[in-house]
Amino acid sequence: GNSVTQMEGPVTLSEEAFLTINCTYTATGYPSLFWYVQYPGEGLQLLLKATKADDKGSNKGFEATYRKETTSFHLEKGSVQVSDSAVYFCALSVDTGRRALTFGSGTRLQVQP
Amino acid sequence: DTEVTQTPKHLVMGMTNKKSLKCEQHMGHRAMYWYKQKAKKPPELMFVYSYEKLSINESVPSRFSPECPNSSLLNLHLHALQPEDSALYLCASSQGRLAGGKTYEQYFGPGTRLTVT
Repeated sequence: GNSVTQMEGPVTLSEEAFLTINCTYTATGYPSLFWYVQYPGEGLQLLLKATKADDKGSNKGFEATYRKETTSFHLEKGSVQVSDSAVYFCALSVDTGRRALTFGSGTRLQVQP
Repeated sequence: DTEVTQTPKHLVMGMTNKKSLKCEQHMGHRAMYWYKQKAKKPPELMFVYSYEKLSINESVPSRFSPECPNSSLLNLHLHALQPEDSALYLCASSQGRLAGGKTYEQYFGPGTRLTVT
């Protein structure tokens, strides 16, 4: 089956620190990979995506590269801000069968001033 | 415009009440979804509509009844809920047909926070 594993949180960083949130996956078929962000009290927002190996998704200073050889899609940002404090979900969808999203457990990021 | 709207934002209902959650999108998306999210957990898929037909029901109890009146609207009718059904209910939409073609990203609404008393 399909599954996504994310690093346990919370991740606590000081403002302007470098961020990495690890995400690895297993999938039957050829997955598309996504990062979603959920701010307190809100729904999920699509942060970035990659649909094939070696694609790099990027948005708002966040980046993630689709690594097929390591089945990974780690989220990075060079300099975090307090406003980046949120829960980040890694997710995949395969191109066969249900095509519903499979989510990781989520990683809470807390950025301190 | 990538907006999915949901109403109401908050809902408190008793176990004998009947209520409905509403979701709307005007992006021309042909797949729409209901998810349930408990605190500190990822969303769990409940239902998927593809071209206004129910295509996936994740063994959801019959006290939850989805409806897709047209390609822009999705409802979730609630009846005789239990306190453990209290959660954030998220609607999402995406392009495309589920049975073929590339995988499209899903766009989520802000959710309805439901409390069952």
